[in-house]
Amino acid sequence: DTGVSQNPRHKITKRGQNVTFRCDPISEHNRLYWYRQTLGQGPEFLTYFQNEAQLEKSRLLSDRFSAERPKGSFSTLEIQRTEQGDSAMYLCASSPLVVAGGPSGEQYFGPGTRLTVT
Amino acid sequence: GESVGLHLPTLSVQEGDNSIINCAYSNSASDYFIWYKQESGKGPQFIIDIRSNMDKRQGQRVTVLLNKTVKHLSLQIAATQPGDSAVYFCAESLKAAGNKLTFGGGTRVLVKP
Repeated sequence: DTGVSQNPRHKITKRGQNVTFRCDPISEHNRLYWYRQTLGQGPEFLTYFQNEAQLEKSRLLSDRFSAERPKGSFSTLEIQRTEQGDSAMYLCASSPLVVAGGPSGEQYFGPGTRLTVT
Repeated sequence: GESVGLHLPTLSVQEGDNSIINCAYSNSASDYFIWYKQESGKGPQFIIDIRSNMDKRQGQRVTVLLNKTVKHLSLQIAATQPGDSAVYFCAESLKAAGNKLTFGGGTRVLVKP
């Protein structure tokens, strides 16, 4: 399977604990995006990388959240001191870099990591 | 699997009929619009996209219409099949903003056999 993969698929943690999620994008994709989705809502943008550079962070991404993409390949999203409001599906997507005459920049999503904070 | 959307607008359609899903977008500067399908327990799956300089684009059994005057997007599915049952989201993006996606509210499509 050469699609986007995410691990773990499910995570249950107690409030106050730290959690880390991993995303492996499609190998030739330069861009990697993180989104959060709660039940009944569409995904909301959190942050994105172009290669190893983090280019934008949403205001949704509080100081407790940090994301990295150290070698421009896989990415991790860490949440420190989790709160019940952090319970959501965390989705990762990757896309090729949009250039004139090139691919459209279609984003391919992984299956997500479902976080439950008790 | 878990439910993607518990309180979404629902479109019930008979198998074989055509489905039309509507979406209002927010940013008149958006230059790219996409429809995604999301099944329970899975990530969104790309269906079809359209650039802002177009008003219609057709794919296999799907057609997307864009009306920039009223900031409206629609997805038409021809000959709806049971496998089309899912939640559908529209999304908009702007190349100058890194192509990050802003999703609209979803619509659940239920196909009755």
